[in-house]
Amino acid sequence: GQQLNQSPQSMFIQEGEDVSMNCTSSSIFNTWLWYKQDPGEGPVLLIALYKAGELTSNGRLTAQFGITRKDSFLNISASIPSDVGIYFCAGRNEKLTFGTGTRLTIIP
Amino acid sequence: KAGVTQTPRYLIKTRGQQVTLSCSPISGHRSVSWYQQTPGQGLQFLFEYFSETQRNKGNFPGRFSGRQFSNSRSEMNVSTLELGDSALYLCASSGGSNEKLFFGSGTQLSVL
Repeated sequence: GQQLNQSPQSMFIQEGEDVSMNCTSSSIFNTWLWYKQDPGEGPVLLIALYKAGELTSNGRLTAQFGITRKDSFLNISASIPSDVGIYFCAGRNEKLTFGTGTRLTIIP
Repeated sequence: KAGVTQTPRYLIKTRGQQVTLSCSPISGHRSVSWYQQTPGQGLQFLFEYFSETQRNKGNFPGRFSGRQFSNSRSEMNVSTLELGDSALYLCASSGGSNEKLFFGSGTQLSVL
């Protein structure tokens, strides 16, 4: 099935560091969504983006809808232990297409 | 407001059997989508139902089917189970086609 290219695949950071990840696609999307998934649970919606160029924040998280509508970015500032998990981007037209995920690990 | 509820939480089946998974969407949501998640393939779209009608379908074989009831609850059925069907099956609901998608905790299916 179709998937978005999400990078990096994994990140190992120290608590307090900032995090950046992105998704790119050859297709244009009308909506970009960012989700976080903890082990054994379903993805939880973090941020939704509806317009090209839109920049939206949710606490320490900031996401942007790329101008070309083919990419999106997520930044996490001052990471904390509960940020550990897998982050997925998703682009939506008729259906939602998910990125391959970024696994975030915090090194003690 | 209760979230998306999926039952059962865990299932163990053997090859050749069939299985039915259930999903209750958030109250007021009329769209229900199903996804299969495996470590190797990530989240793959199965199908979407809206007002009891299948609106979109992913690239899965006919062994995978679903339906939606008048109260928006949805069921997914997999017949003639194969080992490769072992996965986390996620249900998500939304209020409409461009609305945010909210996921349940999933049903972890193991096929032995």
